[in-house]
Amino acid sequence: TQLLEQSPQFLSIQEGENLTVYCNSSSVFSSLQWYRQEPGEGPVLLVTVVTGGEVKKLKRLTFQFGDARKDSSLHITAAQPGDTGLYLCAGAQGNNDMRFGAGTRLTVKP
Amino acid sequence: DVKVTQSSRYLVKRTGEKVFLECVQDMDHENMFWYRQDPGLGLRLIYFSYDVKMKEKGDIPEGYSVSREKKERFSLILESASTNQTSMYLCASRPGGAYYGYTFGSGTRLTVV
Repeated sequence: TQLLEQSPQFLSIQEGENLTVYCNSSSVFSSLQWYRQEPGEGPVLLVTVVTGGEVKKLKRLTFQFGDARKDSSLHITAAQPGDTGLYLCAGAQGNNDMRFGAGTRLTVKP
Repeated sequence: DVKVTQSSRYLVKRTGEKVFLECVQDMDHENMFWYRQDPGLGLRLIYFSYDVKMKEKGDIPEGYSVSREKKERFSLILESASTNQTSMYLCASRPGGAYYGYTFGSGTRLTVV
């Protein structure tokens, strides 16, 4: 059983559509991070959220940390083919290091 | 550009061989990590290190060991490779402190035959 459950596991959409992916847990996290991984590369950090209810925006990407700090969502507006990749969430409990979810594999078709 | 460099992109080894995976970072980060990534399982933490000559077990340390003799270098050792260790191995580093993100290497895809 994963500490962090990500959904959906796979998502295939057309360019221009909006989408939301989710990262859920029964545990409370002191911080949560989102990464994007492209084929043949390591994950690259997108954002860190640390406060319950926090919302951060990165161009067309909006990240939200749940009020109880147990879950998070990533919303992409007007998806583009360049958004294609594996989106991973990772959570830290206290000073312990990050544990990762299994990821959402996003494909954006032109 | 800051970097985490893994010595090999692809490796093929035979069952029972001793395998060394090397990782070097140029950012003077205190913390270094080894993960393996398998489809549907995400990244699983094998070992990590907070300082030179220090090591801590992660979630799946069995069959692995590590070495950190210098701050910039963190090596993962498979003492006797087995087919169930076929995987993508990712090295990462980050500064000390709770909220810093990881910088990952490009990964080593290891196949044990």
